[in-house]
Amino acid sequence: EPEVTQTPSHQVTQMGQEVILRCVPISNHLYFYWYRQILGQKVEFLVSFYNNEISEKSEIFDDQFSVERPDGSNFTLKIRSTKLEDSAMYFCASSESGGLPYEQYFGPGTRLTVT
Amino acid sequence: AQKITQTQPGMFVQEKEAVTLDCTYDTSDPSYGLFWYKQPSSGEMIFLIYQGSYDQQNATEGRYSLNFQKARKSANLVISASQLGDSAMYFCAMRDAGTGNQFYFGTGTSLTVIP
Repeated sequence: EPEVTQTPSHQVTQMGQEVILRCVPISNHLYFYWYRQILGQKVEFLVSFYNNEISEKSEIFDDQFSVERPDGSNFTLKIRSTKLEDSAMYFCASSESGGLPYEQYFGPGTRLTVT
Repeated sequence: AQKITQTQPGMFVQEKEAVTLDCTYDTSDPSYGLFWYKQPSSGEMIFLIYQGSYDQQNATEGRYSLNFQKARKSANLVISASQLGDSAMYFCAMRDAGTGNQFYFGTGTSLTVIP
């Protein structure tokens, strides 16, 4: 069964460093998303991406964040200068279409630890 | 304002018994979708079941069913014949036309199945 993959599974970085989280969405999906989950809290939407541009973003997704689809398979989330509060699990998701009832398939997540 | 409310932070159920996980939602949009995801201790998000606002019947997927009460704005997940592998966090999520493609998640319910 096709699945969303994410690398790395765990990233440790120092405050102020740049990190790039990588995702490979399901191949025939057109919509891509990033969510984050701070430990013990609910999953929060960051951004959605369609047709090579951001379609929606939350207030969490400030200028420190950017997304890119550098080739036909990868979808990346970059955090330019990490802060301690960026420590969280980051989930990539993809969906076949943007409307209902299409569910979003989530990847296994990347646990980001900022020290 | 909270769009999704899950009032049970933790639940216990005996193996082979049924359990209901509560979810209430808030939207003024007539078109919306409700989703349940399971998050085991390994961290990945697994899609379980979907209910559309216009669906006439309650959704079912194997041992999972959704008790959809539109007037009360509730979408409770029922797991029948609980198994030890059902122990996990369960998240209710919603999308509506106002939220576009992003999901709003609840705070989750931690389910523990007791042998």
